[in-house]
Amino acid sequence: DVVMTQSPLSLPVTLGQPASISCRSSQSLAHRDGHTYLNWFQQRPGQSPRRLIYEVSKRDSGVPDRFSGSGSGTDFTLKISRVEAEDVGVYYCMQHTHWPPWTFGQGTRVEIK
Amino acid sequence: EVHLVESGGGLVQPGGSLRLSCVASGFSFSRTWMTWVRQAPGKGLEWVAIIKENGGEKYQVDSVKGRFTISRDNAKNSLYLQMNNLRVEDTAVYYCATGSDFWSWGQGTLVTVSS
Repeated sequence: DVVMTQSPLSLPVTLGQPASISCRSSQSLAHRDGHTYLNWFQQRPGQSPRRLIYEVSKRDSGVPDRFSGSGSGTDFTLKISRVEAEDVGVYYCMQHTHWPPWTFGQGTRVEIK
Repeated sequence: EVHLVESGGGLVQPGGSLRLSCVASGFSFSRTWMTWVRQAPGKGLEWVAIIKENGGEKYQVDSVKGRFTISRDNAKNSLYLQMNNLRVEDTAVYYCATGSDFWSWGQGTLVTVSS
């Protein structure tokens, strides 16, 4: 099974400042079809998860452009260029290159300082 | 607009059974993989089971094999999870989600396994 490891697990940030979350996989997520199936999800307090980013860097409809994804192989990053209050929550990476199983990272809690 | 509405959760004793349902609308259900993901209280997300468009292929996480069965009724735009021999560690909010990349999620239904 592919193990997804996020860091940090807790991220206090100042409003208006950038934030960065790392996600590493135990094996390369590059699929033989040329795609890399790495998603990012946001879960605000008391809400269901919501997909933000798919295939490493493609933003879902309605996702603010302050969110960006990057990376390749086994090393991926979610960046928030300027954190807003509504960005508070837990962020998860997930791979679906090598399945089953579909595997998530442990989650990174973003909070305002 | 996509809507996913889960139901069927509740309190059950260890060893008991529950059947979860998810009714979908706003997209082509019969052409979409569907999945169940769970989240234990205060914990992260765990994929549970997935079923292909016509129900011909299904996959489950090892911890539920032999106990949980995923199924679907495309005529009713509905997804199901039959959960038997429930354990305390199955306590979680269960979400249905669309596709093999989980692009949309329901609001979840809480399953509590306790004596």
